[in-house]
Formats: sequence, structure tokens, C-alpha cells
Amino acid sequence: GAGVSQSPSNKVTEKGKDVELRCDPISGHTALYWYRQRLGQGLEFLIYFQGNSAPDKSGLPSDRFSAERTGESVSTLTIQRTQQEDSAVYLCASSLGGFNEQFFGPGTRLTVL
Amino acid sequence: GEDVEQSLFLSVREGDSSVINCTYTDSSSTYLYWYKQEPGAGLQLLTYIFSNMDMKQDQRLTVLLNKKDKHLSLRIADTQTGDSAIYFCAERKVIDYKLSFGAGTTVTVRA
Repeated sequence: GAGVSQSPSNKVTEKGKDVELRCDPISGHTALYWYRQRLGQGLEFLIYFQGNSAPDKSGLPSDRFSAERTGESVSTLTIQRTQQEDSAVYLCASSLGGFNEQFFGPGTRLTVL
Repeated sequence: GEDVEQSLFLSVREGDSSVINCTYTDSSSTYLYWYKQEPGAGLQLLTYIFSNMDMKQDQRLTVLLNKKDKHLSLRIADTQTGDSAIYFCAERKVIDYKLSFGAGTTVTVRA
């Protein structure tokens, strides 16, 4: 596609359930980022993938959060045993390299009841 | 707390100029960005400035940087209803790939 796409656009889940969020980066972009945007706050960095290098997971808030990326394609962010404080918009971005302009997807709005 | 700070709301009349302000913390070589977020859409990069510059102009957008006060502003001339959105200020150290964002300023354009 022309831009970064994310699915689902909205996800409502019950506390304690696992969720999986998907990101399709722009074709050819080697770098991929996940950010979290809580209501009324700026984006928080979660994780960064660059090619086949080990990902930078320094922003993941707890071990309930994990992410995978196969090569330079799709990435999935998994949140296990969701809590209400996980409710946020999760944004994915991709770039040609780690220091280039980041192009953002529309986000997945996660609501944990 | 956040390293990048912005005022949360701005209301402006159509046709007037909007000025959105931001303060940042890093004094080393840094890129400073302005992003626009419309409802249901991802962040769109509007413009950016490097920390060794004082000003950058791009059509209706003017970015001013006061390095001494670590203050960044975005001026939108002749504000239109399509400019209603949330505007985020962000910084990135030259040696890093992570962006640090402010909380965003919600700009409402009234007729």
C-alpha cells in the first residue's frame, strides 16, 4: 500500500485477555517503530526494529508487552493479560532507515474494560 | 514527566494567525519537528528544523527556534478550518532514532 496500515482500527477487550495488533509498514522501509499514545499525552516510544538487528525494546512498559517483526515486513505487538491502563492508541511508524522521516499509520485504539 | 512541553489548547478565528508553542530539553544537536494529527488519521510531518537554525518558513508555516530558552514555535498564517487538528512538537537527538513528543496542542478554528 501507499502508507503505513494498522489493524484493527479499534479493539475493545476485557481485562485479562490477550490482544494482538498488526502493522504493515511502507514497502522498502527497513525501520519500524511502535508508540503508545495515552489520552491527553504525547506519544511514548515502545520498540524499534531495524533490518535484522536486535530490536530496541527499551520502551516496553512491562513483560506483558512483546513485539515481533519478520524481516522487513509486518510487525505484531502483543499485549498479554491486558489491564485497564493499557487503554490507549497504539501507533506504528516506518522509515527508510533509523534516522529518516518516520511515516505513521492511523493507529489502533485499544479499550480495556 | 515529559521532556517536551506544549500548551494543550488553542482557539483561533479563521483567517487569523495561530502560534503554537513548545519547550524542549536537549541542548545538543537535535532535530525538532512539528506533526499534525487529524481525527482517525496518523501523524503527518509538517516541518522540521535543526537546532543550529533560527527560523524556517514553508508556505503558511513559520518555525522559530530560540535556542537560549529552548523554545520552539509554529506559526500558521491565515488559519483555515482545515487546520483544526492536534499539533505535536517532537525532538530527536542526531545520534538517536527515537522521537520524544509533547502532549499535543488541540487547535480549534472558529468561523
